[in-house]
Amino acid sequence: SQQGEEDPQALSIQEGENATMNCSYKTSINNLQWYRQNSGRGLVHLILIRSNEREKHSGRLRVTLDTSKKSSSLLITASRAADTASYFCATDDSYTGGFKTIFGAGTRLFVKA
Amino acid sequence: DADVTQTPRNRITKTGKRIMLECSQTKGHDRMYWYRQDPGLGLRLIYYSFDVKDINKGEISDGYSVSRQAQAKFSLSLESAIPNQTALYFCATSDFPGQGASGELFFGEGSRLTVL
Repeated sequence: SQQGEEDPQALSIQEGENATMNCSYKTSINNLQWYRQNSGRGLVHLILIRSNEREKHSGRLRVTLDTSKKSSSLLITASRAADTASYFCATDDSYTGGFKTIFGAGTRLFVKA
Repeated sequence: DADVTQTPRNRITKTGKRIMLECSQTKGHDRMYWYRQDPGLGLRLIYYSFDVKDINKGEISDGYSVSRQAQAKFSLSLESAIPNQTALYFCATSDFPGQGASGELFFGEGSRLTVL
C-alpha cells in the first residue's frame, strides 16, 4: 500500500485563487517532499520539508508538516493557469533509513483562466 | 541535454516479448530508481540501486529485472511482457540525503510502454 495519500484527488479553481492540497501518511518519516507533474511528463521537485520543520516557503508555495497528525499541506497562492498539473507528496521510508521514496496518488489541479 | 535520459520514450509491443528500458544520467548520483505510474495510482517503486553492486526490490518487482551497468546507467527489463504491464515508466536519480544533499529525486521524461 502507498505511504502517502493526497486529498482532494482533483481540484478546479479560478486563476488568482489559492489552491490547498493535503497529504496524509502512515509511518514515521525523515522528510516529506512535494513534486509537480505536467501531463505525461517527468516529475519535478518543488520543496522538501524535514520532520523537525513545521512550515516552509518557496515563492508562491507554502508547505506545512504536522508529524503528530502525520499530515502535510501544500498551498499555492495566487494560482495561475500554468500551475495546472498533478501534485504528489512523497515520503521516505524511515524504517529502512530513508532508503526509499514512496509517492501518493496525487492531486490533479486545474486552474481556469 | 537532459540530466536523466530514458530510451525509448514510447514503445508498443506484443505479449510475451522481451523489452528493455534504458536510463542514463549525468548527475553523478549513486542512487537510481525505476518507478511505474498507472492512472490514479501514483508512482510505485519497482527497483532501486544505491551503487553498481547494489540492487534492491521495490513494491512491485515481480515480472521485472534490472541491471546497473555503470554508475550512470540503470536498465529495466520485462522478460515476457504482459498487457497489465502497460504503463508509464520513470527512471530517477538522487544523491545520498544528508551532508548538504536533500535526497530529492530527479526524473527522466518517462517511457510509455503499451503491451498488446
